[in-house]
Amino acid sequence: DAGITQSPRHKVTETGTPVTLRCHQTENHRYMYWYRQDPGHGLRLIHYSYGVKDTDKGEVSDGYSVSRSKTEDFLLTLESATSSQTSVYFCAIKEGQTEAFFGQGTRLTVV
Amino acid sequence: AQSVSQHNHHVILSEAASLELGCNYSYGGTVNLFWYVQYPGQHLQLLLKYFSGDPLVKGIKGFEAEFIKSKFSFNLRKPSVQWSDTAEYFCAVNARFTDKLIFGTGTRLQVFP
Repeated sequence: DAGITQSPRHKVTETGTPVTLRCHQTENHRYMYWYRQDPGHGLRLIHYSYGVKDTDKGEVSDGYSVSRSKTEDFLLTLESATSSQTSVYFCAIKEGQTEAFFGQGTRLTVV
Repeated sequence: AQSVSQHNHHVILSEAASLELGCNYSYGGTVNLFWYVQYPGQHLQLLLKYFSGDPLVKGIKGFEAEFIKSKFSFNLRKPSVQWSDTAEYFCAVNARFTDKLIFGTGTRLQVFP
């Protein structure tokens, strides 16, 4: 398996609180992605990064921010969590024109 | 903008039946195409990929897919499914020389013995 670690793996948080999810890679891949997976919607791209400090929005970026200060870490922050952000979040990494490799996922529940 | 459509949301088959899952994408330029599989409780794993060359690509576990450029399609096939193929299958497209990797909504496959 590709060297991708997501943390935490599970989290329950209250509405209105900030939450940060971490994706850490040991592959030195250029591209990193955050997706959310919801029944009936598949995987939807939240944000992605194409280098240190270089990020861009995906399909469902509202309510989320990201940061990439080092090649190996890509952080996803929910500034003020809402129940609609209850989901499974996946990080993926990619190098150039190749396939993406996925982390194990983070199950986030906002109550 | 890129988009991907998977028209089969839920497919139920008996073992040994043949499988074909549809995938259509929307993008006028050159694309890289992928099929991923997600077994229950697990992360996504690559089944197969198409970048260029022979439009019929073979992947793991007996799966294959055919890229038909004129139809913007990349359908997944398997001649004879097994119970262990029960999973969710996702088609994805990456427009060449762009950074976004976009997924379809997925197809849930259930195979009964």
